[in-house]
Amino acid sequence: ETGVTQTPRHLVMGMTNKKSLKCEQHLGHNAMYWYKQSAKKPLELMFVYNFKEQTENNSVPSRFSPECPNSSHLFLHLHTLQPEDSALYLCASSQSDRATNMGQETQYFGPGTRLLVL
Amino acid sequence: QKEVEQNSGPLSVPEGAIASLNCTYSDRGSQSFFWYRQYSGKSPELIMFIYSNGDKEDGRFTAQLNKASQYVSLLIRDSQPSDSATYLCAVIRSWGFQKLVFGTGTRLLVSP
Repeated sequence: ETGVTQTPRHLVMGMTNKKSLKCEQHLGHNAMYWYKQSAKKPLELMFVYNFKEQTENNSVPSRFSPECPNSSHLFLHLHTLQPEDSALYLCASSQSDRATNMGQETQYFGPGTRLLVL
Repeated sequence: QKEVEQNSGPLSVPEGAIASLNCTYSDRGSQSFFWYRQYSGKSPELIMFIYSNGDKEDGRFTAQLNKASQYVSLLIRDSQPSDSATYLCAVIRSWGFQKLVFGTGTRLLVSP
């Protein structure tokens, strides 16, 4: 088991529901990420938090809303999702160097949340 | 052109053989390269990383990097059925806030 945990592991929701995914890292890292993994597609980076500040948003739809209350916890709030949002959502963490802005080197992944939107 | 390209496979090898997985990347300035293994229904786990041209060995795994040709490969010696998984190549690109860009992965099947 890695030092990154995610809950829930499986989630089924309707398009009108509101739910949240939770990620916690126990590695002392300062950067956390949300990825989406769909069948036959590469891992898609959704959000990056570096030192608790969001540093990148790859034009993710507003129905996905991230929250990073501290460097160990990351949430992904979901509402009015579409069936095409069904995927595996992965959280990852890494140690980022603020001075050089070098980040996202070795990333460690959580087990993921398998999401099905009906 | 995809930033990181991998043959989706499946690559089928018999138990005990050498499995060779290849990856090419488009950003000539990339400096860091990673191989992740992902079992079906599981999350990616880091196998190896390589920064310098040449070979890097870790147990049964050898990563090879050729920056001039922009490819990185992973060799698995004495392949075992438990090595059957999807292998993801990932590259840190040199521009923007550094981002780990993944390929779609190569599925490896090792038959007993």
